[in-house]
Amino acid sequence: EAQVTQNPRYLITVTGKKLTVTCSQNMNHEYMSWYRQDPGLGLRQIYYSMNVEVTDKGDVPEGYKVSRKEKRNFPLILESPSPNQTSLYFCASSPQGGGYYNEQFFGPGTRLTVL
Amino acid sequence: GENVEQHPSTLSVQEGDSAVIKCTYSDSASNYFPWYKQELGKRPQLIIDIRSNVGEKKDQRIAVTLNKTAKHFSLHITETQPEDSAVYFCAATYTGNQFYFGTGTSLTVIP
Repeated sequence: EAQVTQNPRYLITVTGKKLTVTCSQNMNHEYMSWYRQDPGLGLRQIYYSMNVEVTDKGDVPEGYKVSRKEKRNFPLILESPSPNQTSLYFCASSPQGGGYYNEQFFGPGTRLTVL
Repeated sequence: GENVEQHPSTLSVQEGDSAVIKCTYSDSASNYFPWYKQELGKRPQLIIDIRSNVGEKKDQRIAVTLNKTAKHFSLHITETQPEDSAVYFCAATYTGNQFYFGTGTSLTVIP
């Protein structure tokens, strides 16, 4: 089944404890992206990647890191989480970025709480 | 960067009526405008999109219109059904890589 998966789905952690949220897609998509969703703020893009080893900042990258060592995986790293990073996180992928304007397929979401 | 505003934030309609959600954007370079539907507890899913070289696009009961001069685009849902109840997000991009989303509209269709 073609899908985007995220792990973990739920996470409660404490301030300053490094964590990684994994994202994987099995559709051979070149483009991947991370979003956070907060009440009243909609979806805001954190980072995106057009292909392996190519990543760039979205609208709200502060406090986050990403890597794209393999085409299928795009982990989101919070090196020192803070309470303001408590949010619902979505990973998404699409066949290609740039001028192709493909549909983005979203993962199931990861609900993160930072105490 | 781009700024996308979405109105209304909540919308209630009777089953069978039409619903309209409007978004405005700030950057005239934006050229692709997708709409996503997010049911409660689920992931967003694309329902329709439009490119800047097109003024209107329809898909059964859903349509999107784009006014480039006024920099706004709208989602129209006709003959609404209870399963249309969800949060709808508009978005805009001019690179195809960076996407700017609206704040969402919670649509409730009353049976």
